[in-house]
Order: sequence, then structure tokens, then C-alpha cells
Amino acid sequence: DAKTTQPNSMESNEEEPVHLPCNHSTISGTDYIHWYRQLPSQGPEYVIHGLTSNVNNRMASLAIAEDRKSSTLILHRATLRDAAVYYCILRGLNGGATNKLIFGTGTLLAVQP
Amino acid sequence: GAGVSQSPSNKVTEKGKDVELRCDPISGHTALYWYRQSLGQGLEFLIYFQGNSAPDKSGLPSDRFSAERTGGSVSTLTIQRTQQEDSAVYLCASSSQGSPTGELFFGEGSRLTVL
Repeated sequence: DAKTTQPNSMESNEEEPVHLPCNHSTISGTDYIHWYRQLPSQGPEYVIHGLTSNVNNRMASLAIAEDRKSSTLILHRATLRDAAVYYCILRGLNGGATNKLIFGTGTLLAVQP
Repeated sequence: GAGVSQSPSNKVTEKGKDVELRCDPISGHTALYWYRQSLGQGLEFLIYFQGNSAPDKSGLPSDRFSAERTGGSVSTLTIQRTQQEDSAVYLCASSSQGSPTGELFFGEGSRLTVL
């Protein structure tokens, strides 16, 4: 499985934008880039996903580099409720058999009031 | 219910006992995943079911772990002869499709403590 690399932790101030980076230099052409987040004492929740083009939804934006070797999750205005572990995951077809999500260690985002 | 339901939410057992953890996925979801998360750690993939296909068991840590999915819906994860290192939160997720674009919906997890 192609791997991703994320910083262990980041800090942000409330009401400011947050840019969470992810490197995935071994991404294949069929891999989608997914982001999930896990709030304290909860199961992970889906945030956003993309393939080549930048994506926007109500939670966040996903900016994908032209060579697809990196991506950035953008939270436009961080709130205290955004404090969580953010996981960047590649999801693709492994020989057409399965497409399990492999979670790395993620980025622990702390939001300061 | 509307979401993925897991039971029990908490389970304390003695070393050597067997435990069963249950997952009720979202109705109609064909894909079902089991993960476990030890304290302060990331998610560890255990097993994946997709429709009627043979499950991907590549993440099961030992032959003490097994899982089944009956009728393409409810799934049970069984841990035999539990050990202290099995203590973790066991998370179940389901997805409406097995494709790379499908969103996973996670349950709240079952916290297992082996004394």
C-alpha cells in the first residue's frame, strides 16, 4: 500500500485558517486521497476526498498538488471543535481485490482559543 | 438506527476468556471493516468484508481472532483466549460500496479491557 507522511502535531488559533500537509510520493494513478478526522473518544469521521482536482465541501477544502505527490487539507476557520487527529489516507484498488483503508498516525491538531 | 451500531460499548474480561463484539452496519451497506485502536495509537486494520466476496483477513493479528458476517449485514468479531495485549477499542465501519470513493461510517467502538 502506498504510504502517507504527516506531521505528528500542529497548533492553530481559533478563527484562523489551518493547512494540514500530507506527502504521498508513491501514490499511484488510481489512488484517491481521503481525509478522516477523529475527535477525542469518538470513531473517525469522513472529511473529504479527491483524485486530481481540488475539492471543497462544507467541512473543508482539499488542495492536491499537480504531480499528486502531496496534498493539503484546509480548514478555513478553525474552531475549538476542530481539535482532533487528522488522517490522510490513500485508497485505491489493490489488484482489483480490496480497497481497505490503512490509517497512519495522523496529525494531532490543537486549537487554541 | 441511522448509524453504525456496536455492542457492547465496554467489555471487561479476564485473561483466557473468549469475547464477542457485534457490529450492526448501516442498512444496505455492502462493505464492512473492523479496526482496533490501542491507547494513544492509530487505527490498525483487522478485516474487511465486501458483499459475497471472500473477506480480506490480512490484518488479523493471530488465529485467536476471527470474524464473520451473516446475511451480508451484522458482523461479529470473536477473540478467543484473550490476552492483555488485546485490550483496545475495536471499531467497526461500513460503506455503501467497496469502491475507492466510498465514505466509511464508523461506530463508537467497543472498548475491551482484559485483566
